[in-house]
Amino acid sequence: EDKVVQSPLSLVVHEGDTVTLNCSYEVTNFRSLLWYKQEKKAPTFLFMLTSSGIEKKSGRLSSILDKKELFSILNITATQTGDSAVYLCAVEGNTGKLIFGQGTTLQVKP
Amino acid sequence: GAVVSQHPSRVICKSGTSVKIECRSLDFQATTMFWYRQFPKKSLMLMATSNEGSKATYEQGVEKDKFLINHASLTLSTLTVTSAHPEDSSFYICSASRDRYEQYFGPGTRLTVT
Repeated sequence: EDKVVQSPLSLVVHEGDTVTLNCSYEVTNFRSLLWYKQEKKAPTFLFMLTSSGIEKKSGRLSSILDKKELFSILNITATQTGDSAVYLCAVEGNTGKLIFGQGTTLQVKP
Repeated sequence: GAVVSQHPSRVICKSGTSVKIECRSLDFQATTMFWYRQFPKKSLMLMATSNEGSKATYEQGVEKDKFLINHASLTLSTLTVTSAHPEDSSFYICSASRDRYEQYFGPGTRLTVT
């Protein structure tokens, strides 16, 4: 059965800290791994990863995929209170459906 | 960027009634739309995949007679929760895909059944 597991489930840090969120997966015919940020409403897209070892960066956020070990990490440096959200990892298999992990709830304190 | 809307954003209904939620892709044609359900502090659970002009494909455990999905055009899919009960209260989110690698999420609909 396809599954996506995120860790930790929740995290509390202070502004300026660096955090690393983990996502491991078992999916038949992997196509891509996606990271989303969810605040009060629907998820907003952060990254899509398809190739191993290539880091994607957007400002203070970066992510990388390891297709051999079947995991991805999302790094956030110099965290700000606005980074507080649920971060969702999703994997797409050969059917085009997204399988979501449980999410990591990040709280950044001032 | 691609925009997906949902209507209504919030609905309260009485037990036993039916509720229709619309999902529209505003600036692109969506060959596929997906319906998700999210419980409090839980992740998104895919309910069904909807392709324009054909029957929706439901995930295991999702009752197709209770959650009716219609994908009438390339820009509109509807989810009707029939004979709603309090346990159907949830956050329902749609997404629309114009190619196989990108899904654009709607803002979600909060359903409360009293």
